[in-house]
Amino acid sequence: EAQVTQNPRYLITVTGKKLTVTCSQNMNHEYMSWYRQDPGLGLRQIYYSMNVEVTDKGDVPEGYKVSRKEKRNFPLILESPSPNQTSLYFCASSLQGRSYNEQFFGPGTRLTVL
Amino acid sequence: AQRVTQPEKLLSVFKGAPVELKCNYSYSGSPELFWYVQYSRQRLQLLLRHISRESIKGFTADLNKGETSFHLKKPFAQEEDSAMYYCALRERGGSEKLVFGKGTKLTVNP
Repeated sequence: EAQVTQNPRYLITVTGKKLTVTCSQNMNHEYMSWYRQDPGLGLRQIYYSMNVEVTDKGDVPEGYKVSRKEKRNFPLILESPSPNQTSLYFCASSLQGRSYNEQFFGPGTRLTVL
Repeated sequence: AQRVTQPEKLLSVFKGAPVELKCNYSYSGSPELFWYVQYSRQRLQLLLRHISRESIKGFTADLNKGETSFHLKKPFAQEEDSAMYYCALRERGGSEKLVFGKGTKLTVNP
């Protein structure tokens, strides 16, 4: 089944404890992206990647890192999480370079930073 | 800068009533516009894109370039339409980046 998977789905952690949220897609998509979803703010892009080893900042990159060593994987790294990073995180992927590409979303990771 | 505005955070209608979810955009070029839907505890999924000009689950959306709007409409709402709806814009010929509105939560009451 073509899909985007994320792990973990739920995570409670404490301030300053490094964590990684994994994202994987099996559709051979070039483009991958991370969003955070907050009440009243909608979805905001954190980082995106147009292909392997090509990443760039989105609208709210502070406090996050990403890497794209393989086409299928795009992990989100929080080196020193803070309470303001408590949010619902979505990974998404799509083909690159065609009009009206659909972005496929993962199931979401609910992160709580105490 | 690209911007998408959904003026209603919440919209509540009764089953069988018409529903219109508003979306206005600000973009100087020729945009690609989408509606995404998120049902309770599910992932976001594409509902429709303006190029397709088709009805999905009874929903349609027309791009009005003069008013820079892309409102989502359905003549007879159903309870299963209750969800969060996001309007999104993508720069035509540009990157894959989607700019999302803040979303409208639709509740269809029995």
